[in-house]
Amino acid sequence: NAGVTQTPKFRILKIGQSMTLQCAQDMNHNYMYWYRQDPGMGLKLIYYSVGAGITDKGEVPNGYNVSRSTTEDFPLRLELAAPSQTSVYFCASSYSRGPGTGSYEQYFGPGTRLTVT
Amino acid sequence: DQQVKQNSPSLSVQEGRISILNCDYTNSMFDYFLWYKKYPAEGPTFLISISSIKDKNEDGRFTVFLNKSAKHLSLHIVPSQPGDSAVYFCAASAGGTSYGKLTFGQGTILTVHP
Repeated sequence: NAGVTQTPKFRILKIGQSMTLQCAQDMNHNYMYWYRQDPGMGLKLIYYSVGAGITDKGEVPNGYNVSRSTTEDFPLRLELAAPSQTSVYFCASSYSRGPGTGSYEQYFGPGTRLTVT
Repeated sequence: DQQVKQNSPSLSVQEGRISILNCDYTNSMFDYFLWYKKYPAEGPTFLISISSIKDKNEDGRFTVFLNKSAKHLSLHIVPSQPGDSAVYFCAASAGGTSYGKLTFGQGTILTVHP
């Protein structure tokens, strides 16, 4: 298993440009997540999905969009990039049958380092 | 509002000694706690977890202690090894509509000297 994969590893965007961060997992996990990590800070949840076709906002969703058309893929879209979106982005996945029945453990990808100038 | 706090940005210990990393939380709805380890240029990897119905969980050299009344948890690493040098994140999750979502602390950089 490749686990959770993310592309690209690095990207530099100009202000106002758009891009999609790709995330895929091959563990048949139903839950998937996007986080951002700013320097010296913990990870903050951007969006998450509990299954194909179902997405919901996390703590910091502004400026981002997501879709989940398959179990495996969970792309994150940045529209009109801003310097405040300079960060390292992590995708994660987990398997759960619901509250109280499964593990909270999340598996993370290697991250995408994004700079907006 | 920082619901999960790791007040020590860094910790330095000698190889073979005990490392103790601390984490405090404010949300009484948190019922599951996890520790993650992160090396530079990699994603976090799961280390150990504990449910709120327990006060201790052990896995090899790693032990997590939970004090619910104080809203405090700690990770003990005994004995510490140079390969343990990494950033350690504490994370917490609540049930109900917040199920599955993790709230992370800021992280503590652990350096283990040979």
